[in-house]
Amino acid sequence: DVKVTQSSRYLVKRTGEKVFLECVQDMDHENMFWYRQDPGLGLRLIYFSYDVKMKEKGDIPEGYSVSREKKERFSLILESASTNQTSMYLCASTTGGAGTDTQYFGPGTRLTVL
Amino acid sequence: DQQVKQNSPSLSVQEGRISILNCDYTNSMFDYFLWYKKYPAEGPTFLISISSIKDKNEDGRFTVFLNKSAKHLSLHIVPSQPGDSAVYFCAASSASQAGTALIFGKGTTLSVSS
Repeated sequence: DVKVTQSSRYLVKRTGEKVFLECVQDMDHENMFWYRQDPGLGLRLIYFSYDVKMKEKGDIPEGYSVSREKKERFSLILESASTNQTSMYLCASTTGGAGTDTQYFGPGTRLTVL
Repeated sequence: DQQVKQNSPSLSVQEGRISILNCDYTNSMFDYFLWYKKYPAEGPTFLISISSIKDKNEDGRFTVFLNKSAKHLSLHIVPSQPGDSAVYFCAASSASQAGTALIFGKGTTLSVSS
């Protein structure tokens, strides 16, 4: 079974703090993704990565950065957290190649910024 | 501009009846479609998919229908069960654009009452 894990299920941070969200997958997948889910807005893509040290902006990259130093790990960084970044953050991974691959999601991190 | 639209935010169905969730898309390059199911505080889980070379795919109680000319797909759940109560996301991608991320709709919350 594919397993995607996220470092925290729930996180509370203060405005201005630097926040790291970690994601690890154990299936040697090339592609990894970070989404945020908000009520009424669905899943919105923040960043994705096709390979180690590669990253691509998604639809809403502002206020975020990412790091992929190892194939199995994809980190999302909030340089200076703001209240509008309170959300559910979801990591996903899939094998490389064409866009017919199913994405496997982690359990999500519910981030609250006070 | 939304490329994948789920126009019904919510749907209520009685146990044992059919649930029909709808999804429309605007990008004619999309040729692979997926449905994900999401419970609160969990990551989305893959449910069923369909390639544009087919117009129907069935897996147990779940059937997805694709109408390419109308750029419309639907998910049928028969019979509906209380455990099916969740948010359902429609997603699309283009196999011809290797490595592209999935585009998600905003989701439909299904409530199945016993």
